[in-house]
Amino acid sequence: DAGVIQSPRHEVTEMGQEVTLRCKPISGHNSLFWYRQTMMRGLELLIYFNNNVPIDDSGMPEDRFSAKMPNASFSTLKIQPSEPRDSAVYFCASRPGGGGATDTQYFGPGTRLTVL
Amino acid sequence: ILNVEQSPQSLHVQEGDSTNFTCSFPSSNFYALHWYRWETAKSPEALFVMTLNGDEKKKGRISATLNTKEGYSYLYIKGSQPEDSATYLCAFASGTYKYIFGTGTRLKVLA
Repeated sequence: DAGVIQSPRHEVTEMGQEVTLRCKPISGHNSLFWYRQTMMRGLELLIYFNNNVPIDDSGMPEDRFSAKMPNASFSTLKIQPSEPRDSAVYFCASRPGGGGATDTQYFGPGTRLTVL
Repeated sequence: ILNVEQSPQSLHVQEGDSTNFTCSFPSSNFYALHWYRWETAKSPEALFVMTLNGDEKKKGRISATLNTKEGYSYLYIKGSQPEDSATYLCAFASGTYKYIFGTGTRLKVLA
């Protein structure tokens, strides 16, 4: 298996632009997580999907952030409009079903976003 | 607010030394404790999932223990090697999907 795939790996954009980050989870996994990593706050959960349904988006910073999972093999995280404070590394992780918190999360390589 | 703390923040050891670090977490709402190994410019890689008080897990030279009553887990590395250099991250699961991550312990093993 190729593992969790994220694209792009690096994104540099200007303030006000729309940014879309993409994630392909491991086939057969039914849980998907989006995290943001910053120096100040470490890894923070943004949104959690189970069976393609958003279950908890309480970590999404504000209305400028949105996430979708149209099918079991694809998810997007969109920021519109982007701001310099959104600069961070964004990780996607997937998890097999059944075990809940005892199941291992598998992380993608991350997307490093820089907003100028 | 649930808080997960790891100590030390960083340490340097000589090749061959054994070392250990700590993850402290709330003693309530415990579902599981995960340890990850995170190399620079890569993604976190799972080491252990621990669920029961008194659990001990081992993978090669790395082992971990769990005390849920007092809210801590130790990670041990025996005979450190340069390839063990990484950040070791713990994550406390307070529900079926809510993970709170520590800030990690950055280990550098000097040859």
